[in-house]
Order: sequence, then C-alpha cells, then structure tokens
Amino acid sequence: SQQGEEDPQALSIQEGENATMNCSYKTSINNLQWYRQNSGRGLVHLILIRSNEREKHSGRLRVTLDTSKKSSSLLITASRAADTASYFCATEGPGNDMRFGAGTRLTVKP
Amino acid sequence: DSGVTQTPKHLITATGQRVTLRCSPRSGDLSVYWYQQSLDQGLQFLIQYYNGEERAKGNILERFSAQQFPDLHSELNLSSLELGDSALYFCASSRGQAQGSPLHFGNGTRLTVT
Repeated sequence: SQQGEEDPQALSIQEGENATMNCSYKTSINNLQWYRQNSGRGLVHLILIRSNEREKHSGRLRVTLDTSKKSSSLLITASRAADTASYFCATEGPGNDMRFGAGTRLTVKP
Repeated sequence: DSGVTQTPKHLITATGQRVTLRCSPRSGDLSVYWYQQSLDQGLQFLIQYYNGEERAKGNILERFSAQQFPDLHSELNLSSLELGDSALYFCASSRGQAQGSPLHFGNGTRLTVT
C-alpha cells in the first residue's frame, strides 16, 4: 500500500510564482525523499530529509519535515515552465522499503 | 541517464500470457526495487532485493514473482496476465539497503495486456 499522500493532487501556477506541495504519511520513517517525474519517464531524485532534520534546501527547493504531524512540504521557488511535472514524496520505513504517494501534478504556465 | 536499464521498453501481450521484465541496476548498486504505476496513479511498491536476497515485499500479487541474480540484475515475472495488469513497471536501484540512498529509476517497461 502507498505510504504518503500528496496534496494537492494537481496545482497550476504562473511562471515566477512559488509552488507548495504537501505530503502526509502514516508510520514512523527513517527519511523522506521527494522525486520528480516527467510524463511517462522514470522518477528523478530531488532531495532527501532525514527524520532528525526539520528543513533542507537545495537550489530553488525547500523541504520541511514535521515528524510530530507526520507531514512534509516541498516548496519550489520562482517556478519555471520546465518545472512542469509530477512530484512524489517517498518514505523509507524501518524495514528500508521505499513507499511513494500518489503525487502532485504541477503545471507551470509560461 | 540514471544508469538503470530496463528491457523491453514496450510489451504488448494477451490475457493469460506470461512475460518477463528485466532490469540492470546502476553499476555498484546492490538494491533493486520494483514498482507498478497504473495510468495517472502513484507508484505501488512491489518488491525489493538486496544483493540477491528479498528484503521487503509490498503489494505483489501471487501471479507475480521476481528474483535478483548473482550479477545483480533482476527479473520480474508476471503470469496469467489480466487486463488490469496493464501499467508502467519501474525498476529502481540504490547503493545500499535504502538508509538514505536515493533511488535511481529506469525509464520503465510499458505493459499492455489486450
């Protein structure tokens, strides 16, 4: 079964705006990762945040993790048309299995 | 290029048939994961292998089986295929048993069951 649930399912914004996607999960985790998928292609790893971290940055990406609420958010700043893709959170559980959510489909309009 | 190779890219077969999907992990990666992605859906975790041994099992049907060989490549066998098995099947690999190692995905095998 899927572990994470992304919210919203779809997001449409204008170029230059910020995009925020949320992920909630149910069980304890070792770490949480965000991936990007262009249509029909394999997923690409974006960023990882460990269970003892609260915030992490990588370029235009900012990830937060709240283990008490079992939730994470991914912020993409100054979005570009090329950021159009589906974004998935993935949680690594104690058994080291990686479970993905259903994803958020982001559309950035030029 | 992720370094993970999946073959074939496309597969069209009839209900009741059996197919084998192949995955070659990135050089040096010991873990292989299999996922199923139906149209506009998330990824369903099927199974994980580490250095030839099964490490975790997800929603893998009894009609499906997998293995990882000594050279670390993996195969996913799907039998008694049904229309609902039509999906993208992804293989991913990582350096260790996850533990913070990012997954590297192949471009998938698109299976169509008619």
